[in-house]
Amino acid sequence: DSGVTQTPKHLITATGQRVTLRCSPRSGDLSVYWYQQSLDQGLQFLIQYYNGEERAKGNILERFSAQQFPDLHSELNLSSLELGDSALYFCASSPEIGLAGTNEQFFGPGTRLTVL
Amino acid sequence: AQKITQTQPGMFVQEKEAVTLDCTYDTSDQSYGLFWYKQPSSGEMIFLIYQGSYDEQNATEGRYSLNFQKARKSANLVISASQLGDSAMYFCAMRELIGNTDKLIFGTGTRLQVFP
Repeated sequence: DSGVTQTPKHLITATGQRVTLRCSPRSGDLSVYWYQQSLDQGLQFLIQYYNGEERAKGNILERFSAQQFPDLHSELNLSSLELGDSALYFCASSPEIGLAGTNEQFFGPGTRLTVL
Repeated sequence: AQKITQTQPGMFVQEKEAVTLDCTYDTSDQSYGLFWYKQPSSGEMIFLIYQGSYDEQNATEGRYSLNFQKARKSANLVISASQLGDSAMYFCAMRELIGNTDKLIFGTGTRLQVFP
């Protein structure tokens, strides 16, 4: 158990809908990352937050948005869903950014999104 | 831009044998970190081992070791004494650290199957 929690574990919805994925980082971790794992794109970085502020954006669609709340949990909002958004969405957390050393990212169990 | 290449889509190994999973990387940075993660069929991402670019010795963690050849830009994972439970996808990743951005770039993965 990495200490990172994600809910829900599975989500099935229809095209055009909007969903919210939730992540709670490990206790004390300030940095949260979202990744998308799909069959055709592999594992891709979406967005990073640090202590409530957005730090970096990757290949995140405009239909997707995220935020990190004062209690450090994060939510990833996906709207106008398309079939191609079906994927496993991971949240990861790490203590700080920019430090030398491992700075391992601890991954949550993922949310499997199926868009029908 | 940084890039990770895993050229082995699938590998087979007999139980108790050793296996090497290949990973090459491309970066112009002098300081970088390389990671290996395991993803079993249940989907979670499990951190295995880390190698820093300035580490003089190859990293080891139990049955996992990293064969780091800096000049060749390779960071192969060696699993000794394979077990049936090692059957999973294995991802090589590089840490990209630019300013306050700290994210992982993943390879496409290698599916390892261990047979009795």
